Amino acid sequence: DAKTTQPPSMDCAEGRAANLPCNHSTISGNEYVYWYRQIHSQGPQYIIHGLKNNETNEMASLIITEDRKSSTLILPHATLRDTAVYYCIPTKNSGGSNYKLTFGKGTLLTVNP
Amino acid sequence: DAGITQSPRHKVTETGTPVTLRCHQTENHRYMYWYRQDPGHGLRLIHYSYGVKDTDKGEVSDGYSVSRSKTEDFLLTLESATSSQTSVYFCAIGSRDREGIADFGPGTRLTVT
Repeated sequence: DAKTTQPPSMDCAEGRAANLPCNHSTISGNEYVYWYRQIHSQGPQYIIHGLKNNETNEMASLIITEDRKSSTLILPHATLRDTAVYYCIPTKNSGGSNYKLTFGKGTLLTVNP
Repeated sequence: DAGITQSPRHKVTETGTPVTLRCHQTENHRYMYWYRQDPGHGLRLIHYSYGVKDTDKGEVSDGYSVSRSKTEDFLLTLESATSSQTSVYFCAIGSRDREGIADFGPGTRLTVT
């Protein structure tokens, strides 16, 4: 599995966009990039994933660089409820099987009023 | 929210006693996982299951056993609890058509004294 590097912490003002970077320079061709978050004391929550194209859903946008060595999760209008630890997780996709996620230390995003 | 419950939610037990944690799902998902989360280590996979009676070890399986006799239940047993097993335990579920996407339960906080 690819190793990841994420800043340990970031701050963001409420209502502003939060841009969370992740470096995964050793990612292999069949690894997707998954993002999860964990709000204090709760179980992790899936946010979004992608292979090489940018993705958007109701929670966030994911920008993956062309060389796939890094990605950025964007929360377009952060709220106080977005305060959480965000994990970037490269995971293989071999078609038809689910995977064992490997969590790193993630980024603690604090949204300030 | 995905239908995942964990029981008990909190437990205090003494060193040397057996402990069983239960994960119950109502989603009929094939895959189930047990993770533990400790300060400084993040989430680590203990055991996982890819079907009834089909289980395998994860990263930190020593001292733990699991059983899955029906789709909806995945049991984690500490045969003889030790203080190093004090942790928060999360169950997760996944399905073949949502690769890499796991839904997590609310967690069980276990304290071994």
